[in-house]
Order: sequence, then structure tokens, then C-alpha cells
Amino acid sequence: DVKVTQSSRYLVKRTGEKVFLECVQDMDHENMFWYRQDPGLGLRLIYFSYDVKMKEKGDIPEGYSVSREKKERFSLILESASTNQTSMYLCASTRGGVNTEAFFGQGTRLTVV
Amino acid sequence: GDSVTQMEGPVTLSEEAFLTINCTYTATGYPSLFWYVQYPGEGLQLLLKATKADDKGSNKGFEATYRKETTSFHLEKGSVQVSDSAVYFCALLNYGGATNKLIFGTGTLLAVQP
Repeated sequence: DVKVTQSSRYLVKRTGEKVFLECVQDMDHENMFWYRQDPGLGLRLIYFSYDVKMKEKGDIPEGYSVSREKKERFSLILESASTNQTSMYLCASTRGGVNTEAFFGQGTRLTVV
Repeated sequence: GDSVTQMEGPVTLSEEAFLTINCTYTATGYPSLFWYVQYPGEGLQLLLKATKADDKGSNKGFEATYRKETTSFHLEKGSVQVSDSAVYFCALLNYGGATNKLIFGTGTLLAVQP
């Protein structure tokens, strides 16, 4: 059974903390994505990666960075968490090519207080 | 840049009613198009897809046809059930060389009443 696993389901952090969200996939997929999901705004792409050590900015990269040192793991980093980063964060992965399905993790509900 | 626009919800229907959720897109080239569904408390899962113009994707009674001339991929179902209550996301995947960028719409909440 294919799987994308996010390290935490719920997380509470303080303003100014450095926060790491981890995502691991077991499908040997080339592409991995981080989104945030907010009511009325849908899924907005933060960053994506198409290979180890390769990354591209999505639509809302400000305040975030990413790391992909191994193919199966894609980390989202909030350098200094702020309350406006309180959200649901979703990780996804796809293999390369045009006819490819995205597999999602269960999401991490992050609250910054 | 690439974008997806879908009708705002919530959409509230009675059981056995006909469903349409509109989706239009803007993209360079020839993207693949998808509908994903998110049931309450769960992650997103693929509902159906189409990879070229005039393709029809179908699954679980849902259908959508890739219309290049109108840049649309509207979701339809002839008779909805209470169990179809969920958030539906339209998405496009634009394959550009080595990278695949997957873009979603804002989602449409469907509530089906018995």
C-alpha cells in the first residue's frame, strides 16, 4: 500500500520558534510538494521538489524554506513561526510524467500561539 | 502563471439530484487535469483524471470531460448520495521538462441532504 507519511498530525508552537514539518514517501517518487490549506483559499503551493536537492518556489514561499537531502524525505521549515502561519499543511508526492496521480499525507494541523 | 478556478460553495443538494461543479483553467501547453476529493477528516484522494483534450475521466458515477476549446473540466454526477458529501478540488499538472507543478483550485464543499 502506497504511503505518504507526515511526522505529526497536530502541532502547537510559539511565535518565533523554528518549526520542522517532515514528510516521507515510500513510492520512490521524483516529485514532492508542500501545500497549506486554509478555508476559502483551497490548497496553495508553498514549495515543490523534482529531485534530490532540487527545489522550486510555489505561489506562497515567503516565510518558508525546504530541504530534500534524500529522495524519500521532504522537509518544510518555518524559520521563525508567526501566527499567520497557523494552518493545515499537506504533503504530496508524484512520480514523473504527465499521467500521474498525487498521493497525499494526512496533513499536519499547525497552531502558532 | 498557471491557475485553476472553480465554483464557490457550498453546494447543497438533495439525495438523487444532479450535480455539476464548474472548473476552468489557465495554463501554457497541454496540462493534465484532475478532480480530487477530501472526505471529512481525511486527506485528499484522486477521484478522476484526463490527460488530453476530449478525454473523459470517470469514477464512482462522477464524470468530467477535458474541453480544450473552453479550457474547462466540469465535474458531473447524475444522482448524488449522502456519502458524496465532501470537498472537491479541481487540479492541473503542467509537465515542463524535468518538473511537474501541481496546482489546485479553491475547493467546493458539497453537502447532500437525505
